[in-house]
Amino acid sequence: GAVVSQHPSRVICKSGTSVKIECRSLDFQATTMFWYRQFPKKSLMLMATSNEGSKATYEQGVEKDKFLINHASLTLSTLTVTSAHPEDSSFYICSAPGTGRVGTEAFFGQGTRLTVV
Amino acid sequence: AQSVAQPEDQVNVAEGNPLTVKCTYSVSGNPYLFWYVQYPNRGLQFLLKYITGDNLVKGSYGFEAEFNKSQTSFHLKKPSALVSDSALYFCAVRAFSGNTPLVFGKGTRLSVIA
Repeated sequence: GAVVSQHPSRVICKSGTSVKIECRSLDFQATTMFWYRQFPKKSLMLMATSNEGSKATYEQGVEKDKFLINHASLTLSTLTVTSAHPEDSSFYICSAPGTGRVGTEAFFGQGTRLTVV
Repeated sequence: AQSVAQPEDQVNVAEGNPLTVKCTYSVSGNPYLFWYVQYPNRGLQFLLKYITGDNLVKGSYGFEAEFNKSQTSFHLKKPSALVSDSALYFCAVRAFSGNTPLVFGKGTRLSVIA
């Protein structure tokens, strides 16, 4: 199957700093990528949809200015957590649809464990 | 609107016994159903999917799932559980184009006891 690479896998940062998480589709082009946040023992919460060449679409309740998403190319989407606070500590996962067909499974990055201290 | 329900937060099963992880869905139109597994601090790995055809779908690692339209269910099964199957399992549905996100259930933690 298709490969989605997410980096870094783990990051610790100080409160007030910004952290960038990269998500790359290695062997296919992804015009769309999804960013999820996963709280402990909880399901995945869709944060936003990034679209190559246009602005990201954010889900209700997700702060656009805090979670900056850029889809710089057909193989790269980035999520930047700005002015991070301890409550932003979480597991972030990116996903690419694979193809435009409805029956295609989505492909996921390895996830990034963010800890803000 | 699409939704997925996984009624069990936790399923415990003895090694070698059959396992079932339950999933029900709600969607207008034809459902496209998926199961994923997540190991600690990892992304999601695809297990299997139902698109059309046979109601019994076979996937990775010996898992299978049965699509039941009348009960709107898509339960995950395995005839003989392994300790290494212990993980978090997610059921998901998509009803529209492939560029729309999957809608996930809350997840079920499977614990296989030796």
